[in-house]
Amino acid sequence: GNSVTQMEGPVTLSEEAFLTINCTYTATGYPSLFWYVQYPGEGLQLLLKATKADDKGSNKGFEATYRKETTSFHLEKGSVQVSDSAVYFCALSEWGAGKSTFGDGTTLTVKP
Amino acid sequence: EAGVAQSPRYKIIEKRQSVAFWCNPISGHATLYWYQQILGQGPKLLIQFQNNGVVDDSQLPKDRFSAERLKGVDSTLKIQPAKLEDSAVYLCASSVEPGQGEAFFGQGTRLTVV
Repeated sequence: GNSVTQMEGPVTLSEEAFLTINCTYTATGYPSLFWYVQYPGEGLQLLLKATKADDKGSNKGFEATYRKETTSFHLEKGSVQVSDSAVYFCALSEWGAGKSTFGDGTTLTVKP
Repeated sequence: EAGVAQSPRYKIIEKRQSVAFWCNPISGHATLYWYQQILGQGPKLLIQFQNNGVVDDSQLPKDRFSAERLKGVDSTLKIQPAKLEDSAVYLCASSVEPGQGEAFFGQGTRLTVV
C-alpha cells in the first residue's frame, strides 16, 4: 500500500534560517504529492503540490520538487519567519482516488 | 467563499456513550472525506463520499462508526459506543472531484473520551 515518511521533529530554527523537511513516499502508481500546513488552532491548508515527476511546487517562499528517482518531496524555504511556526504534513494521492495518505507531521518552531 | 464547516469544535464524553459530528462542505464540492487524526499522527481516512454514495469505507470501524451524507451535501459521522482509543481530532474535508487529490479541510472536532 501507499505510505509517506517524514523526518521526525520537532524542528527548532532561528528566524532567517534555512529550512528542510524531508519526505519520502511509497506508492503503487504515480501519485500527486502535497504539503499541507496546520497553524495552531486551525485546520489543514494546502501549502503546495506537484502532480508529476520533476514538477516544482511553490508557495509563500516554500518549495518542493517531485523526485521520482528518489521517491522524495522535500520541503525547503530559504529564510523562515516566526509566522511559519506550524505543523507540516507531506501527503500523496493517486490520480482519481481522491483520498490522501499523510505522513505523521513535522512540528516547526521558529524563534526570533 | 465559505470554507468547510464542522461542529462541534470540542466534545468530551464518557466511554460507551454516543457522539455525532456534523460537516458542511464547500458549496459545489461533490467529494467529502472524514479523517481521524490521533495526537502525534497524520490524518487517516475513515470514509469518502462521492455525492451521496460511499466510495471508500474500508478503514471505518463499522461496528461502532457510521456516516451518512444525505442529499449529497452535509454529512454526519457517529460513534456508538465510544472507546477511549477514539479520542482524536475528526477532520472533514471536501473537493470538487477526486481528481488530483487536493482537498479543503475544516477546523476539526476534538473528541476526548474519558
